[in-house]
Amino acid sequence: QVQLQESGPGLVRPSETLSLTCSVSGYSVSSGYYWGWFRQPPGKRLEWIATIYQGLTNYENPSLKSRAIISVDTSKNQVSLHVSSVTAADTAVYFCARVIGTVTPYPDYWGQGILVDVSS
Amino acid sequence: SYELTQPPSVSVSPGQTARLTCSGDALPKKYAFWYQQKSGQAPILVIYDDSKRPSGIPERFSGSSSGTVATLTISGAQVEDEADYFCYSTDNSGNERVFGGGTKLTVL
Repeated sequence: QVQLQESGPGLVRPSETLSLTCSVSGYSVSSGYYWGWFRQPPGKRLEWIATIYQGLTNYENPSLKSRAIISVDTSKNQVSLHVSSVTAADTAVYFCARVIGTVTPYPDYWGQGILVDVSS
Repeated sequence: SYELTQPPSVSVSPGQTARLTCSGDALPKKYAFWYQQKSGQAPILVIYDDSKRPSGIPERFSGSSSGTVATLTISGAQVEDEADYFCYSTDNSGNERVFGGGTKLTVL
C-alpha cells in the first residue's frame, strides 16, 4: 500500500522560501503515476498547488503566480515542493498525494499533512 | 472562478442515512470525488467517478450525481463515520481543479 509522509520546517519567515519533502513508500515515484501537493489554509478549503509526472510539471495552480516549484528525487523516492516569497497567506496545512485518473485527475492516497506557519 | 458548494454540517443518529451534497455547475459533465478526513489524519478517498467505491471502503458508502448536484450517501451511519467530508471536481474545461468547503458529519 502506498504511504506518504510530509516533512519540513513548521515555521517560515515572510519573504523566504518554504521547502517541503514528501517521502513515498510502497510505490516508486518514477513508475507511471502523477504526484501532487495541496494545501488547506486555516478555515478555508483545500487548494491544489501543483502536479508532476515523470519529472515534468503537469499542472500548476495560477493563483500561486509561478512561486511554486515541484520536483522529484527518484534516488530517494521523494517529491518536493518549494514556494518562494511566502506571506502569511501561505500559512496552511500542506499535503502531498498520489494523483491518478485519465479523464479527471484525482488524488487517491494522501499524506497526513504538515502545518506550516509563515510568521516573523 | 469555479466553486463547489457543500453544506457546513449534517447531523444524524447512528443507523440513520446521511446524505451529503455537493453543488457545482459543471457536475452534469464532470465526475465528483469524495474524501473523508478525520482530524490530524490523511484524507481517505471514499468515492470516485461519481459512484465508484475504492476497495476497502464499506458498502454503506455510495455516491450519485444528478444535474448539478453530487451526493454522498452513508446508509446506516456509524459513530466512526463522524468526520469532515469534502468533494472534488473540475470546471468544464478541466483547467480548474477545486474542492468543496467540506461538510462536518456528526453521528450521535
